[in-house]
Amino acid sequence: DSGVTQTPKHLITATGQRVTLRCSPRSGDLSVYWYQQSLDQGLQFLIQYYNGEERAKGNILERFSAQQFPDLHSELNLSSLELGDSALYFCASSAAAKHYGYTFGSGTRLTVV
Amino acid sequence: AQKVTQAQTEISVVEKEDVTLDCVYETRDTTYYLFWYKQPPSGELVFLIRRNSFDEQNEISGRYSWNFQKSTSSFNFTITASQVVDSAVYFCALSEANNAGNMLTFGGGTRLMVKP
Repeated sequence: DSGVTQTPKHLITATGQRVTLRCSPRSGDLSVYWYQQSLDQGLQFLIQYYNGEERAKGNILERFSAQQFPDLHSELNLSSLELGDSALYFCASSAAAKHYGYTFGSGTRLTVV
Repeated sequence: AQKVTQAQTEISVVEKEDVTLDCVYETRDTTYYLFWYKQPPSGELVFLIRRNSFDEQNEISGRYSWNFQKSTSSFNFTITASQVVDSAVYFCALSEANNAGNMLTFGGGTRLMVKP
């Protein structure tokens, strides 16, 4: 157990729908990161939050949004889902904002049908 | 822009063989960090090592060793006496110090298959 908890582990939904992925970071970690892993794009950075504030943004689609709450858990919202959004979504956390490796959660496998 | 290339998409070895996974990176920063992660068939990403750009010493951890060469922009990973449990996808990643945050740029990964 890495200490980073992601729920749900699996999600199957239809095109056009909206889903929310949840992440609880390791105890004491202030930074949360979201990554998407797909067969064609590999592992892509989506967004980073540090202590509730957005810190860095990657190639995150406008249909996707995220936030980090005061208790430091984070949610990734995916809306108007398309078949191409099917992927493994990872959350990771680290103690600091920069220069550290992260601990990844076990991921949420999203299948859009 | 930062980039990580893992030219070997798949490697197959027989148990007890040594195997080296290649990683070549590109960055304009003088300060950066390199990582290796393992993704076993179960899917999670497991942190293996972090190395900063000022530390070119090779590192050994059990059967694992890493060779960092700034002159060739490479950070290669060697598994000695491979075991079936080493079968996984291995990712090399780079983080630049000048990034606003702590974004990791991953290579495409190398799938290692260790056969008994």
